[in-house]
Amino acid sequence: AQSVTQPDIHITVSEGASLELRCNYSYGATPYLFWYVQSPGQGLQLLLKYFSGDTLVQGIKGFEAEFKRSQSSFNLRKPSVHWSDAAEYFCAVHGSGNTGKLIFGQGTTLQVKP
Amino acid sequence: NAGVTQTPKFRVLKTGQSMTLLCAQDMNHEYMYWYRQDPGMGLRLIHYSVGEGTTAKGEVPDGYNVSRLKKQNFLLGLESAAPSQTSVYFCASSYPGQKGYTFGSGTRLTVV
Repeated sequence: AQSVTQPDIHITVSEGASLELRCNYSYGATPYLFWYVQSPGQGLQLLLKYFSGDTLVQGIKGFEAEFKRSQSSFNLRKPSVHWSDAAEYFCAVHGSGNTGKLIFGQGTTLQVKP
Repeated sequence: NAGVTQTPKFRVLKTGQSMTLLCAQDMNHEYMYWYRQDPGMGLRLIHYSVGEGTTAKGEVPDGYNVSRLKKQNFLLGLESAAPSQTSVYFCASSYPGQKGYTFGSGTRLTVV
């Protein structure tokens, strides 16, 4: 069965520092992968997605993610974090079959120190 | 151009009460989903629908029922609310091949 693991429940970085949020997936075929962000009290916003092709994917708000098949990973990165990036981040994989279901990781809460 | 609309946004229920959450989408999407979000658990799929008149169970369906009588609406019902159903509920929709969702803004439900 497909699954997604985000090993870090909570991460704290200083403003201006670089960021990497980890995501590992379990899926037999080529996965469709997503990162979503949720600001406090808000819904989920799509940051970026990977379907195929270039393994380095650019998203909104200066985020990027790299798909590494050999490591079953899809880590999210940002070179310089802003205080407004404090939020919860979810990695997701598109499930098998034609139902369109997404399977989400547990989420990583990002805190940004001034 | 509303996208996915969830009503209500907030609700407090007493144990044993019933209620229905409404999800409405105006994008003519075939697929619709209900998730619940709990701290440390991410989003877990409750029920989903791949078309009008069809529904299926997700990962955590117990205690919930759903109906999709009209393509644009997906209702989530709690027949007898329990404190364990205190959560934030998200509805989402998509179309075949979209591979990604349009999310609603969520419903925060507290069962006391």
